[in-house]
Amino acid sequence: DAGVIQSPRHEVTEMGQEVTLRCKPISGHNSLFWYRQTMMRGLELLIYFNNNVPIDDSGMPEDRFSAKMPNASFSTLKIQPSEPRDSAVYFCASSWDRGYEQYFGPGTRLTVT
Amino acid sequence: LAKTTQPISMDSYEGQEVNITCSHNNIATNDYITWYQQFPSQGPRFIIQGYKTKVKNEVASLFIPADRKSSTLSLPRVSLSDTAVYYCLVGGSYSGNTPLVFGKGTRLSVIA
Repeated sequence: DAGVIQSPRHEVTEMGQEVTLRCKPISGHNSLFWYRQTMMRGLELLIYFNNNVPIDDSGMPEDRFSAKMPNASFSTLKIQPSEPRDSAVYFCASSWDRGYEQYFGPGTRLTVT
Repeated sequence: LAKTTQPISMDSYEGQEVNITCSHNNIATNDYITWYQQFPSQGPRFIIQGYKTKVKNEVASLFIPADRKSSTLSLPRVSLSDTAVYYCLVGGSYSGNTPLVFGKGTRLSVIA
């Protein structure tokens, strides 16, 4: 298996633009997690899905952030409109179930200017 | 969610054994204890997980006392490549509804 795949690896955009981050979890995993990491806040859980259903989105910072998981092999995290304070590395992770070992993707480094 | 407390940073020389202790006073009965390692510019990677007593694998050992209010990750004979951030997580019981939650982690620096 190729592991968790994220795209793009790097994204530079201007404030106000829409940003879409993509994730393909490991086949057979039924839990998917989106994290954001910054120096100030560390690794924050934004939202997680179980069997394609959002279970807890309490970590989503505000309405500008939205996440979807239309099927078991694909998820998106969208920021609209983006702001400079959204600059961070965004990780996607998947696991066999919510309590099991999480496998992380390489991350997407987002820079909003 | 059970909160964890671990040292912000630690230094060690190459070849030494490193022990990182994590406190989790309000751990729940069904909670597991999991440790992850993160290198710069990479996502965290699973190291070891346990429920009680001692767990060992090819990378590390995990010691958990009977009251489970703390745990110690032991890295034998560290090398420069073990320089990373180590996270202690509590929760994520296999039958529960809560996922693992990452804290601030311990930044380990291995010195030659």
